[in-house]
Amino acid sequence: GAVVSQHPSWVICKSGTSVKIECRSLDFQATTMFWYRQFPKQSLMLMATSNEGSKATYEQGVEKDKFLINHASLTLSTLTVTSAHPEDSSFYICSAPRTGGNSPLHFGNGTRLTVT
Amino acid sequence: SQQGEEDPQALSIQEGENATMNCSYKTSINNLQWYRQNSGRGLVHLILIRSNEREKHSGRLRVTLDTSKKSSSLLITASRAADTASYFCATAHLSGTYKYIFGTGTRLKVLA
Repeated sequence: GAVVSQHPSWVICKSGTSVKIECRSLDFQATTMFWYRQFPKQSLMLMATSNEGSKATYEQGVEKDKFLINHASLTLSTLTVTSAHPEDSSFYICSAPRTGGNSPLHFGNGTRLTVT
Repeated sequence: SQQGEEDPQALSIQEGENATMNCSYKTSINNLQWYRQNSGRGLVHLILIRSNEREKHSGRLRVTLDTSKKSSSLLITASRAADTASYFCATAHLSGTYKYIFGTGTRLKVLA
């Protein structure tokens, strides 16, 4: 079946540094990828929709200069948390619909970011 | 917020019992999907029900959809300890492109 690979699975960084998270679709092309953020024991909050070859669409309240998204190819989207602060500590998950449109999503295994 | 609500927030049952989770959403949808998340992992798709469908089955899973009430339910029959996880409903909304909004989730614990 379709696989989405997310890397790294966890990262610890110091306040003020930037962290890049990669999301790859391994056996299908993903023109659209979604980035979610999840706090402990809570639901997934959609941060942005990543579109191959064009600018990402950010949800209300999400700072686009803080969370940089790049979708340079049909199999790779990256999320860069710039100048990270402790409040950015969270679980970040990417996903992509295999066949586009409103088909089921395939998820990466998430990235646990801890900012000290 | 477009986020849907799920209830109960947490559910603890004995192995062999059935588990029922409910999901309510706010806006019109194209389809509704259920996902499962093991602790600290990504989500796995379980089942999709289209807006013109009322019930769907997949193995031990049964999903219903009532678009007039904007609600759905997920029934897991003959539960097993391995079913312990969080379960989320997600609705697909067309807003330029499709985007998926997740419900608040139900944490299910199945006791052996």
